[in-house]
Amino acid sequence: DIQMTQSPPSLSASVGDRVTITCRASQNIISSLNWYQQKPGKAPTVLIYAASTLQSGVPSRFSGTGSGTDFTLTISNLQPEDFATYYCQQSYSTPVLTFGQGTKLEIK
Amino acid sequence: EVQLVESGGGLIQPGGSLRLSCAASGFFVSRNYMSWVRQAPGKGLEWVSVIYRDGSTYYADSVKGRFTISRDDSKNTLYLQMNTLRAEDTATYYCARNRYSGSYYVDLDYWGQGILVTVSS
Repeated sequence: DIQMTQSPPSLSASVGDRVTITCRASQNIISSLNWYQQKPGKAPTVLIYAASTLQSGVPSRFSGTGSGTDFTLTISNLQPEDFATYYCQQSYSTPVLTFGQGTKLEIK
Repeated sequence: EVQLVESGGGLIQPGGSLRLSCAASGFFVSRNYMSWVRQAPGKGLEWVSVIYRDGSTYYADSVKGRFTISRDDSKNTLYLQMNTLRAEDTATYYCARNRYSGSYYVDLDYWGQGILVTVSS
């Protein structure tokens, strides 16, 4: 089974900051990595798919990079609405999909 | 507009059964791959099951043999039959549409609002 490890588990930042969240796969997953944002009490929404493709309607301050085993989600110029929990998800082992443990982004 | 609406959750005793429904609008369930994902209280996301266009079904090891995914094309509705429920099945259950961008590229582009299932005596 492919394991996904996200870091850090939590992160404090201020409005206007630039933050990076990382996700590491236990084996090569090429670019089959997606990023989701989840706000309290709400369903997740996809931000980035195929490692670096921005979902339609998502602000360009979100970006994703990586391939193989190491991936990053970067949020530039943090906005108040960006404080949420972020999850990575691999689909290389489809039909089985695996999520990372999540990173909670909090206001400093 | 694409919409997914779950129903059927609630409080159930350990060992009991429950069927979740996910009514879709704005697209055809039969023409898409559809998943169930769950989230235990305060925890992360866990993929549970998927049904393919051709009716093939797959499950996470944690629910294999106890849960069954199905759909009713005439009602454009997805289901999750959950049997022999355990306390560790307590979670918010989401239905979601799978989007394929290539052979290994699958993300979940539309999600329902989620429905809470609590397994407790």
